[in-house]
Amino acid sequence: AQKITQTQPGMFVQEKEAVTLDCTYDTSDPSYGLFWYKQPSSGEMIFLIYQGSYDQQNATEGRYSLNFQKARKSANLVISASQLGDSAMYFCAMRGYNQGGKLIFGQGTELSVKP
Amino acid sequence: EAGVVQSPRYKIIEKKQPVAFWCNPISGHNTLYWYLQNLGQGPELLIRYENEEAVDDSQLPKDRFSAERLKGVDSTLKIQPAELGDSAVYLCASSLTRSTEAFFGQGTRLTVV
Repeated sequence: AQKITQTQPGMFVQEKEAVTLDCTYDTSDPSYGLFWYKQPSSGEMIFLIYQGSYDQQNATEGRYSLNFQKARKSANLVISASQLGDSAMYFCAMRGYNQGGKLIFGQGTELSVKP
Repeated sequence: EAGVVQSPRYKIIEKKQPVAFWCNPISGHNTLYWYLQNLGQGPELLIRYENEEAVDDSQLPKDRFSAERLKGVDSTLKIQPAELGDSAVYLCASSLTRSTEAFFGQGTRLTVV
């Protein structure tokens, strides 16, 4: 079975500071991909970053980086220099090689950036 | 380039009535997904299409839900009859292939009263 766990229902961060959103996963697939999505109040799920299970380096996309620790089965999202517009729900998701294109999502973390 | 377009954005219906949602994926994307998102939870897959073929509909409640993707482009998701528990956000997503990242629309928020 595949499972994504996000243990932080809500997080607060001061503007311009960095924040880490936790994500752990469980899968029996030998190959898989990990994703982070942002969902603002408007409802759209916005793709942020992707990490493949065999990628040697941690993924980075602008202010977003993924701290991938395969042995610990964790894929934490790090947002540097937080901005007010970063306030949103953040979802970690996984797609196993044997699952077709199916994404399994976590429960999400609500991030609030304080001015 | 336009993203995934869904309509309507909001829908309020009485229970036992039918309802339909429409999705236009990103041009050229072969894979299309319908997800259900209940309040406070992450999305869950209802059905996945590869072109016009439904390749994964194991989570679709087939007694009341149906979907189609004519000509492998636009897709509709229908509920008939709707129940109170169907109140949720219905998200459509598309990807170039099943192995590439999925892009989501803004969703349709359904309220059944």
